[in-house]
Amino acid sequence: AQSVAQPEDQVNVAEGNPLTVKCTYSVSGNPYLFWYVQYPNRGLQFLLKYITGDNLVKGSYGFEAEFNKSQTSFHLKKPSALVSDSALYFCAVRDMAQGGKLIFGQGTELSVKP
Amino acid sequence: DAGVIQSPRHEVTEMGQEVTLRCKPISGHDYLFWYRQTMMRGLELLIYFNNNVPIDDSGMPEDRFSAKMPNASFSTLKIQPSEPRDSAVYFCASRGPKNIQYFGAGTRLSVL
Repeated sequence: AQSVAQPEDQVNVAEGNPLTVKCTYSVSGNPYLFWYVQYPNRGLQFLLKYITGDNLVKGSYGFEAEFNKSQTSFHLKKPSALVSDSALYFCAVRDMAQGGKLIFGQGTELSVKP
Repeated sequence: DAGVIQSPRHEVTEMGQEVTLRCKPISGHDYLFWYRQTMMRGLELLIYFNNNVPIDDSGMPEDRFSAKMPNASFSTLKIQPSEPRDSAVYFCASRGPKNIQYFGAGTRLSVL
């Protein structure tokens, strides 16, 4: 069965420091991987995706993610965190056997302090 | 495009009442998804449609929940009768050709 895991419920970072939000996946075949962000009282917003090609994927708001097949990871990164990046982040994998629905991780709360 | 539109944004009702949540997907998108989000259970997929046809409703918690998509531009999620444990934020999302799901702002349901 396809699955994703976000090992950290919360990540705390100081403004200006680099941030990493971790995600590992388990799929059969080639993974389609996604990151979404949810701000308070809002719906999820697409950040970036990996389907094929370059292992470093660039997305919205200066975020990027690195696909690592050997470690089955897709960690979200940003070189310099902003207070406004504070939000809930979800990693997801597309379930190719189930009509392409997304399987979401449990979410990681990112808190960036000034 | 206005994005995925959900209504109402907030719904407060009493136990036993019928609740209907509405969703207008992005024009041209052929997939529509209904999710429920709670602190305890996180984000759960309830049901999804492809070209207005329900494909997988295995996430629908009970027979009290039903969903319809009468046409490509409208879907409803109905709870009858509602119970306090149904209190959650319900999201609708639609997906187009680039495999990206776009979410609505959600409906916050409180069942008293």
